[in-house]
Formats: sequence, structure tokens, C-alpha cells
Amino acid sequence: DVKVTQSSRYLVKRTGEKVFLECVQDMDHENMFWYRQDPGLGLRLIYFSYDVKMKEKGDIPEGYSVSREKKERFSLILESASTNQTSMYLCASEQGSYGYTFGSGTRLTVV
Amino acid sequence: GQSLEQPSEVTAVEGAIVQINCTYQTSGFYGLSWYQQHDGGAPTFLSYNALDGLEETGRFSSFLSRSDSYGYLLLQELQMKDSASYFCAVRRGTGGGNKLTFGTGTQLKVEL
Repeated sequence: DVKVTQSSRYLVKRTGEKVFLECVQDMDHENMFWYRQDPGLGLRLIYFSYDVKMKEKGDIPEGYSVSREKKERFSLILESASTNQTSMYLCASEQGSYGYTFGSGTRLTVV
Repeated sequence: GQSLEQPSEVTAVEGAIVQINCTYQTSGFYGLSWYQQHDGGAPTFLSYNALDGLEETGRFSSFLSRSDSYGYLLLQELQMKDSASYFCAVRRGTGGGNKLTFGTGTQLKVEL
């Protein structure tokens, strides 16, 4: 089975901090994605990457950046965390099929 | 832009059949997916329809009508463990990668 591992299950950060969310997949997938999930809003795409060092903005990229230096790792960066970035963050990977494999999520609270 | 509409909540009894509808408006449509998410868990892939018609996988079936911009997920012989949120998602084919735009989810509650 494909595994997508997110480094932290819960995080609490202060406003203004730089936050790194890490995601690693073990199946050599080309495509990786970061979503955030909020009640009543579903999952919204922040950024995605279809190759090493390649990235594209999703629907809500403001306040975020990403890094993909190795194929298996896709990092989401909050440059200066704000309280409106308190959310569940979900990483996913996918290779040529139409089904994403999601990680367990990181619940980030910004105080 | 893209938009998907699905009911926010559905309640059904164990053993029954339930249908969760999804209508969408999007550009660059390639297909419709369905995901299941239990409370506190990650979304898991259920099905994908690229062409019109019904796809069956065990107790779950998914239907797509591209001309009507409409699809549904059909769950048969409901079990308590089917209580979860169900998301439809449109696959958009522009650019690299198979980007999905998700609906806001339908919370299914299965009762005895």
C-alpha cells in the first residue's frame, strides 16, 4: 500500500512564526498536493507539484509556499503564520490513476 | 471558476439504500471522483467516473451524466461503518497533475 506520511499530527504555533509542514510518500509518485480542510468548506487546494522542483498554485495559495527538492518529499511553508491559517492540512500523492492517497493530516492551530 | 453542490447531511437506516447527489459547474472537466472520510481520518478514494454511466464496486456504485453535469454515489445494504462524510470531486485536466476540486461534503448518518 502507498503510504503518505505527514510529520506532525498536531501543531501549535504562534502568530508570525514560520511553519514547515512535511509530507513524504513512499511509492515514487509524480504528483503531490497540499489541501486544507475547514468545516463547511470541504478540501481546498493550496499548491501542487507534478515533478521535482516544479510547483503550481492551487486555488488558495496566498500566505503559503512549497518546496519539492526530492520526489518523495513535498513541504508546505507558512511564511508568517496567521490565525486564519488554523486548519487541518492534508497532503496527497497520486501517480497516473485517478485516486489520491492522503496522509493522516496535520491539525495546525495558530495562536 | 468551479463549483460543486452536494447535500450537507443524509440520514438512513441500516440495510437501506442511499443516494448522494453531486452537481458541478467547471471548466476543463475530465471526470468525477468520490471520497469517504471518517471522523478524524484521512479521505480515502472510492470511485472515479470519466464516462457516462454506472460504475459498481461492491456495495458502492457511482454514476455520471456529463451532459447534465451530475453524478451520484449509491450505497447499498448500509452498515453502521458507512457513517462518514462523502465528498465528490471534479478532476480538472489543465496543466500538470490531476487536480481535484472537492465539494463541501455530505455527512451520512446510518441509524439502527
